[in-house]
Amino acid sequence: DARVTQTPRDKVTEMGQEVTMRCQPILGHNTVFWYRQTMMQGLELLAYFRNRAPLDDSGMPKDRFSAEMPDATLATLKIQPSEPRDSAVYFCASGSGWETQYFGPGTRLLVL
Amino acid sequence: QKEVEQNSGPLSVPEGAIASLNCTYSDRGSQSFFWYRQYSGKSPELIMFIYSNGDKEDGRFTAQLNKASQYVSLLIRDSQPSDSATYLCAVSKAGTASKLTFGTGTRLQVTL
Repeated sequence: DARVTQTPRDKVTEMGQEVTMRCQPILGHNTVFWYRQTMMQGLELLAYFRNRAPLDDSGMPKDRFSAEMPDATLATLKIQPSEPRDSAVYFCASGSGWETQYFGPGTRLLVL
Repeated sequence: QKEVEQNSGPLSVPEGAIASLNCTYSDRGSQSFFWYRQYSGKSPELIMFIYSNGDKEDGRFTAQLNKASQYVSLLIRDSQPSDSATYLCAVSKAGTASKLTFGTGTRLQVTL
């Protein structure tokens, strides 16, 4: 049963600390997306990659967020330094090019 | 004006009734339309997608698209309590390499 995996599932940290979230896309999928979901803003696209190359990261605060795909089986999203307003659920999704996206279980982040 | 708009609800329907969920979008260049279901505390899961004007049926679900009116809807026939969730509408534009823009979702409650 192929699925997107994300770690950690939950993260509590203090303001100013670095946070790293990891995602393993479905094997064979060449497109990876990072989303953030909050009650107020809903689901927002932060960045996405195709064939490991970044296509669009315009939704991401550049000064503190960074997204990378070091290889085809791993995508990372880092926040440094973290702030309380970054508290949200972060989803990774992967797709195989025809727009259908499959979501991972999410990382619930709380920054105190 | 948001790119994708949905009534936040809750939309309450009795068991066995038809639930009608609506979504409007602002960009006439939008070409693909998706409906995702999200249970509380879970990740979004794809229900169905539609590209052409008209209706597309899949089991108890029917997606309807009217590009002239920039309107897409999801009908759920014979609603069940297990259909109680938030339904997210998403659209993509030509040439954006699978990038989806999501609405904030409509919460559906199916009552016994």
